[in-house]
Amino acid sequence: DIVMTQSPDSLAVSLGERATISCKSSQSILSTSNDKNYLAWYQQKPGQTPKLLIYWASTRESGVPDRFSGSGSGTDFTLTITSLQAEDVAVYYCHQYYSPPYTFGQGTKLEIK
Amino acid sequence: EVQLLESGGGLVQPGGSLRLSCAASGFPFSSFAISWVRQAPGKGLEWVSAISGTGDITHYADSVKGRFTISRDNSKNTLYLQMNSLRAEDTAVYYCAKTDRILDFWGQGTLVTVSS
Repeated sequence: DIVMTQSPDSLAVSLGERATISCKSSQSILSTSNDKNYLAWYQQKPGQTPKLLIYWASTRESGVPDRFSGSGSGTDFTLTITSLQAEDVAVYYCHQYYSPPYTFGQGTKLEIK
Repeated sequence: EVQLLESGGGLVQPGGSLRLSCAASGFPFSSFAISWVRQAPGKGLEWVSAISGTGDITHYADSVKGRFTISRDNSKNTLYLQMNSLRAEDTAVYYCAKTDRILDFWGQGTLVTVSS
């Protein structure tokens, strides 16, 4: 099974500042057949259902603000939130859909400093 | 508008069984895989199972393999999760999610509590 490890477990950032969350997979999730990384990011606000933010490691879902961006390839990935807003307080999860079982990271809790 | 509505959750004793349902609308149901993801109280997301649009391909997490069975009835636009030999650690909110490789739309979830 592919293990997804996020860091840090929690993060406090000031409003308007940058937040960076790392996600590492135990094996490459880059497909050589289509050169795509099978990595998604989800946001779960308190009391809400998870929401898709980013897929293919760097493609923003429709309607997601452009302050959210994803990067990385192979085994190392990053979710960056530039200019943090109060409504970005949430738990963020990375998720690999390269091979079953399709595992999640343990989550990173983002708070306002 | 895509809608996914889970049902069937509740309180069950350890060793017992429960069947969850997920009623879908707003998209061509048989054209998409559907997944189950669960979240224990105060914990993170755990992928549980997925089934292809035609129902002929299924996948399971190691933690539920041999105890849970995913199935679908495309004539009723409904997904199922038959859960047997339930354990306390299966206590969680169970979400169904429309799956186009990515889990692009989630239901609101149904709570399963395994306790004596």
